[in-house]
Amino acid sequence: GQQVMQIPQYQHVQEGEDFTTYCNSSTTLSNIQWYKQRPGGHPVFLIQLVKSGEVKKQKRLTFQFGEAKKNSSLHITATQTTDVGTYFCAVPTDSWGKLQFGAGTQVVVTP
Amino acid sequence: NAGVTQTPKFRVLKTGQSMTLLCAQDMNHEYMYWYRQDPGMGLRLIHYSVGEGTTAKGEVPDGYNVSRLKKQNFLLGLESAAPSQTSVYFCASSGTSGVLYPETQYFGPGTRLLVL
Repeated sequence: GQQVMQIPQYQHVQEGEDFTTYCNSSTTLSNIQWYKQRPGGHPVFLIQLVKSGEVKKQKRLTFQFGEAKKNSSLHITATQTTDVGTYFCAVPTDSWGKLQFGAGTQVVVTP
Repeated sequence: NAGVTQTPKFRVLKTGQSMTLLCAQDMNHEYMYWYRQDPGMGLRLIHYSVGEGTTAKGEVPDGYNVSRLKKQNFLLGLESAAPSQTSVYFCASSGTSGVLYPETQYFGPGTRLLVL
């Protein structure tokens, strides 16, 4: 079946630094969603990417969909303590409405 | 507009006890989902529903049952709790969509369950 891998599982970042997290699929995707979960909170939708090579920005967050539509990345510039949390990618499955979530990248920010 | 709500927020059970988790949404969504979240495992789908009166199994359905008698409510039942069911349970809902382009899922605040 379809496999979704997120790399790295854990990211320790100094405040002000940049970092990138990746989501890789074993199959070609029609689209991909990203969610963020703050510590003790619930997942919250961030963005959806649909087109090959698509790049979308939300303030300091830049999301990219790979040209082959088998991977995606999230790049955070000048990390702040508010970026702490776990970032999940989610991809469509073969059934209506269902998503398969990656294991997530847990981000810890040191002041 | 409360979005997705879950009750209870936290519960401790003894092995073999039963309980029901309630999820309610006020967004008139057709689709509802139950996930469990364990450290390092991400979100795993337990059961889901594509409309009132319908339910289907997800990735990890064993030991759980669900019911969707009303469109706005989705209940998750544990008939005989086991320590392996200690987890955080999230309910989510979404609008109707096609297979290729799933709608955004809106999550509830979660229920933390400890089975001793």
